[in-house]
Amino acid sequence: AQSVAQPEDQVNVAEGNPLTVKCTYSVSGNPYLFWYVQYPNRGLQFLLKYITGDNLVKGSYGFEAEFNKSQTSFHLKKPSALVSDSALYFCAVRAPGTYKYIFGTGTRLKVLA
Amino acid sequence: ETGVTQTPRHLVMGMTNKKSLKCEQHLGHNAMYWYKQSAKKPLELMFVYNFKEQTENNSVPSRFSPECPNSSHLFLHLHTLQPEDSALYLCASSQDAGVQETQYFGPGTRLLVL
Repeated sequence: AQSVAQPEDQVNVAEGNPLTVKCTYSVSGNPYLFWYVQYPNRGLQFLLKYITGDNLVKGSYGFEAEFNKSQTSFHLKKPSALVSDSALYFCAVRAPGTYKYIFGTGTRLKVLA
Repeated sequence: ETGVTQTPRHLVMGMTNKKSLKCEQHLGHNAMYWYKQSAKKPLELMFVYNFKEQTENNSVPSRFSPECPNSSHLFLHLHTLQPEDSALYLCASSQDAGVQETQYFGPGTRLLVL
């Protein structure tokens, strides 16, 4: 069965420090991986996706993610966190041949000034 | 703004009421989706429409009834809901329902069932 795990409910990081939000997945076949962010009272906004090619994917707002096939991970990273990055982050996976997005439970990122 | 709008933004209804949620996308997309977001749970895909045809019904109770009259509009008709149906309902769209496609989400309708 397809699944996505975000092992941390919350991540706290000081402003200016690097941040990592973890995601691991389980899917049959080659995965298509996505990160979305949700600000309060807003819908999800797309950050980046991995389809194929370079394992390091760069996205919006300075975020990037690294696809690691051997560890089945797709961790979201940013070199220097901003207070405005504080939000709820969702990892999602789609398997070939399905219409379904499988989302993780979300990780709340709190960047402290 | 993502180009996907949802109305109403908030809705309170009793268990015997009938109401409808509306979603409209201005992106020229051909696929539209309904999701349910409950606290501490992953987003749950409810329905998928691709070129106005329903392609996915993720075992959703019949008290939720979707309607897609054209590629730009999607409705979710609600009747005889239960308190556990209280959640944020998100609409999304994508160019089509292909696996590579990015979904664009509306702001959601926060539903409270009393």
